[in-house]
Formats: sequence, C-alpha cells, structure tokens
Amino acid sequence: DIQMTQSPPTLSAFVGDRVTITCRASESISVFLAWYQQKPGKAPKLLIYRASSLDSGVPSRFSGSGSGTEFTLTISSLQPDDSATYYCQQYNSYFRTFGQGTKVEIK
Amino acid sequence: EVQLLESGGHLVQPGGSLRLSCAASGFSFSTYAISWVRQAPGKGLEWVSGVTGSGQTTKYADSVKGRFTISRDNSKNVVYVQMNSLRAEDTAVYYCAKEGSTTGMLGYYFDSWGQGTLVTVSS
Repeated sequence: DIQMTQSPPTLSAFVGDRVTITCRASESISVFLAWYQQKPGKAPKLLIYRASSLDSGVPSRFSGSGSGTEFTLTISSLQPDDSATYYCQQYNSYFRTFGQGTKVEIK
Repeated sequence: EVQLLESGGHLVQPGGSLRLSCAASGFSFSTYAISWVRQAPGKGLEWVSGVTGSGQTTKYADSVKGRFTISRDNSKNVVYVQMNSLRAEDTAVYYCAKEGSTTGMLGYYFDSWGQGTLVTVSS
C-alpha cells in the first residue's frame, strides 16, 4: 500500500496567518491527491482534488499544489471556521490511503 | 442535493455480524461507485471497501478481506456492507462515500459523505 505522511501533526496559528500542511507519498502518485477538512463529530468534507483543483463552494483561501510524492495544502489567511483536522488522501490505486491528519487550532 | 444516509450500526459482540446500509438520493445512483470508509475513535480515516456503479466489481482492504462483503441494489439506491467475524479493532464510525467520477469505477476521491454510523464491537 502507498503510505501517506502528513506534517505537522498539529499546528496553532493566528487568524489571518498563512498556513501550510505537507503530505508526502511513499511512491509517486502523479497528481492523484485529495484534501479533506473534518470538524469534530462531522464527516470529512472534500476541499481539493487532483492536487490543486478546488471543489465547488470551497473558499478561495484554500489552495493545493504538488505532484509525484510531495504535496501541500495552503490556507492563505486563516479564519476561525478553519479550525479542524485536515487529511490528505491518495487515489493512485483502488486501495486509497489517507494521511494521519493535521489538527489546525486557532491561537 | 446529494444525500447519503447510513444506518445499522450498533453494539455487537466479538465474532458477531452486522449489516450496514447506505441510502442515497440526489444523484444518478448507478453512475457512481460507492465506498465505505471508517474512523476508529480518535483515529484517522481508513478506506474499507468499494463497489462500482454497476455492482460488478468490489474491492476490499486487507484488514477486512474475507470478512466483509459489499453489495448494492441500484433499484433501491442502497449500498450494503455485510460484516462478519467482527473484531474489537473494527470498532469505528463507518461512512459511506460517493466516488468523484461519473465513470462508475473505483479509485477516485470522495466528493460526498454520509453522516456515519457507529459500530462498537465489545463483549
């Protein structure tokens, strides 16, 4: 299976800060990477697919980049509503795998 | 509006069985593959199983292969997962999720999720 490693596990930032989360794949996955946001007690919500395509209705402060084995999710100006756990997921094979998550907290 | 509604989760003893259902609405059901993804308490997400839009192809994670069986009824817009020989490590919230491709094939991201149903395996 393809292993996905996210960093950092947690981060704390101020409203308005630029925040970056990194996701690394154990082998090349081209651009077959998605990002999700999950709030406590809720289902994950798709933010980005194909590494950099924003899902419908997702605020433009979210962006994704990368290809091959290294990817990033950036929040350009952190908002209070962005407090959540973020997961990356590869879909280069049927056997989808997720990163372990990054918890984003507001200072 | 796409809606996925899971049901069937509850407390079951180790070695027991359970069938979860996922009722779908708001989209052309047979056009899309559907997967089950689970989340153990306080843990991350784990893809468990998926079925193509036609129902002809199914895939399983190694952790559940031979114990879980996924199926779908396109006349009722429902996906099922039959879970047998349940173990404590199967305890999780189980989500059904719609795959993000109109090909009906497996192997994509998940663009819609249900609210989840909790399965607890304990004596």
